[in-house]
Amino acid sequence: RKEVEQDPGPFNVPEGATVAFNCTYSNSASQSFFWYRQDCRKEPKLLMSVYSSGNEDGRFTAQLNRASQYISLLIRDSKLSDSATYLCVVNPITGRRALTFGSGTRLQVQP
Amino acid sequence: DARVTQTPRDKVTEMGQEVTMRCQPILGHNTVFWYRQTMMQGLELLAYFRNRAPLDDSGMPKDRFSAEMPDATLATLKIQPSEPRDSAVYFCASGLVLKGSYNEQFFGPGTRLTVL
Repeated sequence: RKEVEQDPGPFNVPEGATVAFNCTYSNSASQSFFWYRQDCRKEPKLLMSVYSSGNEDGRFTAQLNRASQYISLLIRDSKLSDSATYLCVVNPITGRRALTFGSGTRLQVQP
Repeated sequence: DARVTQTPRDKVTEMGQEVTMRCQPILGHNTVFWYRQTMMQGLELLAYFRNRAPLDDSGMPKDRFSAEMPDATLATLKIQPSEPRDSAVYFCASGLVLKGSYNEQFFGPGTRLTVL
């Protein structure tokens, strides 16, 4: 089983739609969680950290469910500029002690 | 606006040639990472350094890859000899890691390597 698993998509949604991505992680001791965004042929960039109580940044909401070992990202009122690949990132603490990246979920927002 | 820089941005080479990729991390960051990204495998961690000391290179093929950090402003990744399966985008990232907490990693623009 992969340490971090994501649905690769693509998710094709119209502008203005609400879309949600989930990501599951295998190490129950993981402590830090992030969502990164990667545009086509560009480097990944931090979108937001994910806190235990859930957090919101504008149209983006991240949630953590430790019991089920998954994190989610909700995007409301999708914009064309939201089209990108969204990478789920987990700090597994044990083992290699470096952030582990999921393979990403591709989002395409249609006009 | 501090950023991670990488050179070259693109490299096309022939099988068997040596390839050297360079990275300048953000000043003040104590951890440097090398990643490889392909369509099939996604983003894979190859190696990382903390305070210039190699901490983990288990993701790297040892027989042909080597990573070094000769000083705080330069990290290098070498492939010798290169093979077509090494074709990928190689990202360097840096971050500030304090007492086991992981803050944001900042990625460079990547080196797009094509081995013919």
